[in-house]
Amino acid sequence: KAGVTQTPRYLIKTRGQQVTLSCSPISGHRSVSWYQQTPGQGLQFLFEYFSETQRNKGNFPGRFSGRQFSNSRSEMNVSTLELGDSALYLCASSSQTGIIGYEQYFGPGTRLTVT
Amino acid sequence: GENVEQHPSTLSVQEGDSAVIKCTYSDSASNYFPWYKQELGKRPQLIIDIRSNVGEKKDQRIAVTLNKTAKHFSLHITETQPEDSAVYFCAASNPGNTGFQKLVFGTGTRLLVSP
Repeated sequence: KAGVTQTPRYLIKTRGQQVTLSCSPISGHRSVSWYQQTPGQGLQFLFEYFSETQRNKGNFPGRFSGRQFSNSRSEMNVSTLELGDSALYLCASSSQTGIIGYEQYFGPGTRLTVT
Repeated sequence: GENVEQHPSTLSVQEGDSAVIKCTYSDSASNYFPWYKQELGKRPQLIIDIRSNVGEKKDQRIAVTLNKTAKHFSLHITETQPEDSAVYFCAASNPGNTGFQKLVFGTGTRLLVSP
């Protein structure tokens, strides 16, 4: 099976702009989670989608949003970019079907730089 | 919410030595504990995981132990090799208020294996 893919791999944006990142999960996986990785804060959970519904959300401002399509592909959007949004954005897919913990497989990430 | 602490932040060993990384978690409802390895510039890769109904799991040179009473879990790597050099992240997963799992990560351990 093909792994998790993310596009674009690199982005440079200016403060105040908005950005959309895309994630395609492993075929058959219906759960997609998004994380922000920075040197200072590590891996921080943004949100998780399953069957087009957001099921879980981390502690990020409303400028961070996401959605999932019927084919399980997911997008996340960041509006009104700030310098502090510069980070590696990772998505992870899972075949979770129950409430017990599940394996998540990460994509290569999108490196966002805000200037 | 869940909080995961990871120690040490850096670990240097000689090739062939053993390495141990320790994590503690705060929420007794957490039931799934994966470990990820992230090489420089690459995505986090799941290397081993353990569920709360198991005390120990082993996969070749890698083992993980879980002490639910003390709320800590550890990664053990034996006969380390230079290719084990990477950043290792522990994580804990629990249903939280939504009933759906989310991963909370430790801050990472940079392991350096010297030839």
